[in-house]
Amino acid sequence: NAGVTQTPKFQVLKTGQSMTLQCAQDMNHEYMSWYRQDPGMGLRLIHYSVGAGITDQGEVPNGYNVSRSTTEDFPLRLLSAAPSQTSVYFCASKVAENTEAFFGQGTRLTVV
Amino acid sequence: GENVEQHPSTLSVQEGDSAVIKCTYSDSASNYFPWYKQELGKRPQLIIDIRSNVGEKKDQRIAVTLNKTAKHFSLHITETQPEDSAVYFCAASSLTGGRRALTFGSGTRLQVQP
Repeated sequence: NAGVTQTPKFQVLKTGQSMTLQCAQDMNHEYMSWYRQDPGMGLRLIHYSVGAGITDQGEVPNGYNVSRSTTEDFPLRLLSAAPSQTSVYFCASKVAENTEAFFGQGTRLTVV
Repeated sequence: GENVEQHPSTLSVQEGDSAVIKCTYSDSASNYFPWYKQELGKRPQLIIDIRSNVGEKKDQRIAVTLNKTAKHFSLHITETQPEDSAVYFCAASSLTGGRRALTFGSGTRLQVQP
């Protein structure tokens, strides 16, 4: 039981490039979320999903796309990377609303 | 949307002392309040949570209190140890876009001096 797995752990992008951050969970959790963590700002919600085929925007969705074709996977796409997207990204999953969220190990993204 | 404020941003205590971290929230409909601990370079992990129908919850050296009227909740750590040194985040579950999602505070860096 691996829990929540994110890839890659580190990534450097040039401004304007696109990429996909991968997130997979093997706990059969319906709820999955993406957060970004910036110094002094806590964790801010980008997008979330309450089940396959359902996604919603969080607090800071601009510049990011998501899809949820399976229960296990919830990839985050950066369409055209900008320096303001330099951050640590965390994926999380949970079995239901108002239950413990399990986080992946994070992806440190630098946009130059 | 929900706004969660967390204080202090940094906290330094001597080993064995108590530490208290406070959070306030804005949405009176929020009903779930977890606390996460994040060690340096690691992922956040849940340490304790409380639901709105409970005023206090304790787990060994950690306790959380909730005042729904004042819309604030606090984390209490007693008999602190060096391994308690980490960043602590509070969160509140509120309606976002018609569904419940967590809004996090900005974090408190706790340093326990041996």
